[in-house]
Amino acid sequence: EAQVTQNPRYLITVTGKKLTVTCSQNMNHEYMSWYRQDPGLGLRQIYYSMNVEVTDKGDVPEGYKVSRKEKRNFPLILESPSPNQTSLYFCASSLGDTTDTQYFGPGTRLTVL
Amino acid sequence: AQSVTQLGSHVSVSEGALVLLRCNYSSSVPPYLFWYVQYPNQGLQLLLKYTSAATLVKGINGFEAEFKKSETSFHLTKPSAHMSDAAEYFCATRGSARQLTFGSGTQLTVLP
Repeated sequence: EAQVTQNPRYLITVTGKKLTVTCSQNMNHEYMSWYRQDPGLGLRQIYYSMNVEVTDKGDVPEGYKVSRKEKRNFPLILESPSPNQTSLYFCASSLGDTTDTQYFGPGTRLTVL
Repeated sequence: AQSVTQLGSHVSVSEGALVLLRCNYSSSVPPYLFWYVQYPNQGLQLLLKYTSAATLVKGINGFEAEFKKSETSFHLTKPSAHMSDAAEYFCATRGSARQLTFGSGTQLTVLP
């Protein structure tokens, strides 16, 4: 089944404790991106990647890191999480660029205490 | 920069009634426009997209949207609401080859 998977789905952590949210797609997609969803703000892009080893900042990259060492994986890293990073996070992928249909993962709900 | 504005964060309709969700865009070039739907506890999925081929775009589940350049609008409609349409709907535009910009979302409630 073609899909985007994220892990974990739910995470409660404390300020400053490094964490990684994994994202993997099995559709051989070139483009991958991370969004955060907050009430009343819609989805805001954190980082995106056009291909392996090619990543760039989105609209809200502060406090986040990403890497794209393999085509299928695009982990989101929070080196020192803070409470303002409490949010719902989505990974998405598409075959080419943003003209193509984005396929979204199920989401990761993160709470930073 | 390209952007979209969704009018109405919450919309309620009765089952069987017309659904109309509003989206206006701001773009200096012909835009790519999308509607995505998010069902409870799920990721987003594409309903339909406009890529300048036709102004009336038909999507899944009976939804359609009409691109109106004169009004800079791309409103989403469905003639008859079903209970299963209850979800959050997002309008989005392609800011560049690399970035999508989403609206703030409209929560649709369908009343029995």
